[in-house]
Amino acid sequence: GEDVEQSLFLSVREGDSSVINCTYTDSSSTYLYWYKQEPGAGLQLLTYIFSNMDMKQDQRLTVLLNKKDKHLSLRIADTQTGDSAIYFCAERSSGYSTLTFGKGTMLLVSP
Amino acid sequence: KAGVTQTPRYLIKTRGQQVTLSCSPISGHRSVSWYQQTPGQGLQFLFEYFSETQRNKGNFPGRFSGRQFSNSRSEMNVSTLELGDSALYLCASSPRLAGSIDTQYFGPGTRLTVL
Repeated sequence: GEDVEQSLFLSVREGDSSVINCTYTDSSSTYLYWYKQEPGAGLQLLTYIFSNMDMKQDQRLTVLLNKKDKHLSLRIADTQTGDSAIYFCAERSSGYSTLTFGKGTMLLVSP
Repeated sequence: KAGVTQTPRYLIKTRGQQVTLSCSPISGHRSVSWYQQTPGQGLQFLFEYFSETQRNKGNFPGRFSGRQFSNSRSEMNVSTLELGDSALYLCASSPRLAGSIDTQYFGPGTRLTVL
């Protein structure tokens, strides 16, 4: 079955870049997503990438996709304390609308 | 445009009771999906409704059910509550239009505590 894996924790200093990594197993994945969850809140869509793309940039966010290795990363430039949250990687398989999520990476940004 | 709304935001029930959670999708969105989030299992898909029909179902017991109304609003019901049902229940809506990316947008969730 599908599986999405992420490292559980990342700590960075304010102003540094953060890189959150994700691996997935489903080769039929069509879209891959990054969501952000702050304490007590729902999931906020950050960005997504189609499986035939290698890179997508959206302001401070850069998504890199290595389809051969089934590896996805999210880079946050100039990380701020307000970026502290849990970040979820999710994949959607071809023909289905359901999302399979990783367990989430907790990003802690210290001043 | 208003986002996905879920009611109630918090709920406390006791074992054996049943509960109904409500979700109103973004205006124009026709698909509603439900997810359960727990510290141990993470985010797990429950079911998806589109055009008042259940389209997909996750691996949950029959105590978990749902429905969708003609205005795309959805409810999910959990009967005979167990302690392990304590979780954040998240609803997501998507347009479900042919040719669209069909991205899911999430509501704030309903926090259910079973005592």
